[in-house]
Amino acid sequence: QKEVEQNSGPLSVPEGAIASLNCTYSDRGSQSFFWYRQYSGKSPELIMSIYSNGDKEDGRFTAQLNKASQYVSLLIRDSQPSDSATYLCAVTKTALIFGKGTTLSVSS
Amino acid sequence: DGGITQSPKYLFRKEGQNVTLSCEQNLNHDAMYWYRQDPGQGLRLIYYSQIVNDFQKGDIAEGYSVSREKKESFPLTVTSAQKNPTAFYLCASSIDLSGRTRYGYTFGSGTRLTVV
Repeated sequence: QKEVEQNSGPLSVPEGAIASLNCTYSDRGSQSFFWYRQYSGKSPELIMSIYSNGDKEDGRFTAQLNKASQYVSLLIRDSQPSDSATYLCAVTKTALIFGKGTTLSVSS
Repeated sequence: DGGITQSPKYLFRKEGQNVTLSCEQNLNHDAMYWYRQDPGQGLRLIYYSQIVNDFQKGDIAEGYSVSREKKESFPLTVTSAQKNPTAFYLCASSIDLSGRTRYGYTFGSGTRLTVV
């Protein structure tokens, strides 16, 4: 089992829709969870961090964590074409471990 | 402004040659990391360091070496033993391994290494 798993996509949504990105992880001892956005050819940038079960909202972004199910998700409301990028889920083990990323395409 | 500087942006390596990628940070972060990214893939951890003069291997350390002589600097050497070095290399730093601050792990702009 891979340590951090994401659907590679592409996930295609129309402008204004909700995009839902999912991630599962294998290490039950993981304590910190992050979502990074990466545009093609660029370095990752932090969007959301979440440490406890439940939801965390920041603007159009909501991160959800369920430690019992070992599941993290990211919802993007009112998706914009500028949200088109690869979204990387990352989980702390000793250092930060990344999934392979989900490519999101938002069409106008 | 504080940040992480990686150089060079592009690097070309001949077969059998060692090359060194530079990473400098002025964020006063204790922990620094090197990741490798291949096309369509996530980031894989090469080495990390929590403190000066100490570092640990990540998941894909073979063919790479690092040093941490100063808090601000964490250079990565890609040796001739790394048989497939063509990739995008990213340096990152954080206050500690947990990354539990509003900035998480902060990344440099990357070095794209190509074998010629």
